[in-house]
Amino acid sequence: DGGITQSPKYLFRKEGQNVTLSCEQNLNHDAMYWYRQDPGQGLRLIYYSQIVNDFQKGDIAEGYSVSREKKESFPLTVTSAQKNPTAFYLCASTTGLGTGELFFGEGSRLTVL
Amino acid sequence: GEDVEQSLFLSVREGDSSVINCTYTDSSSTYLYWYKQEPGAGLQLLTYIFSNMDMKQDQRLTVLLNKKDKHLSLRIADTQTGDSAIYFCAESVLSDSWGKLQFGAGTQVVVTP
Repeated sequence: DGGITQSPKYLFRKEGQNVTLSCEQNLNHDAMYWYRQDPGQGLRLIYYSQIVNDFQKGDIAEGYSVSREKKESFPLTVTSAQKNPTAFYLCASTTGLGTGELFFGEGSRLTVL
Repeated sequence: GEDVEQSLFLSVREGDSSVINCTYTDSSSTYLYWYKQEPGAGLQLLTYIFSNMDMKQDQRLTVLLNKKDKHLSLRIADTQTGDSAIYFCAESVLSDSWGKLQFGAGTQVVVTP
């Protein structure tokens, strides 16, 4: 079945550590996105990539980094510079055609201890 | 503040209709979407409406769009306990990069027996 796989689903990190969240899709989508979700807030865009080897900052990119070396993969690194990293992180992808519908992964919950 | 606004909570009795409201600010929005998020999961697209439409019906779901007032609503007929979730309104803008949706904060719908 086609879809988006995020891992790990739950992650605990100590302050000062970097952590990388994985996002893989087999939908053959060109564009991939990382959103952050906090309780009572909408989804906020961190980074997005529309083609391999290219990505752009979203609204809250500070303290995060990404890479897009393969079409299928768009990992997100939460660095120690991110002041408040505890959140639910969602990866999404789209073809960019038609309705522009985003397909989402199941999310990764990061908790900083 | 949010460009897309939603009320945060809705309680409804099983069997009744639910109406979730959303206002958006960008008059050039092309598609407007309703996504559903169950606890600890990603978002699933429920339905969408193109900006030149006033209404769209899909089984128990009815979407109404009032472009003049920039108001979008989602009606769920015969609400079931499985409809308990967070519902997000989102818009895409033709002038912006595709897939960069602007999300509301989400409406928590609780269905009581």
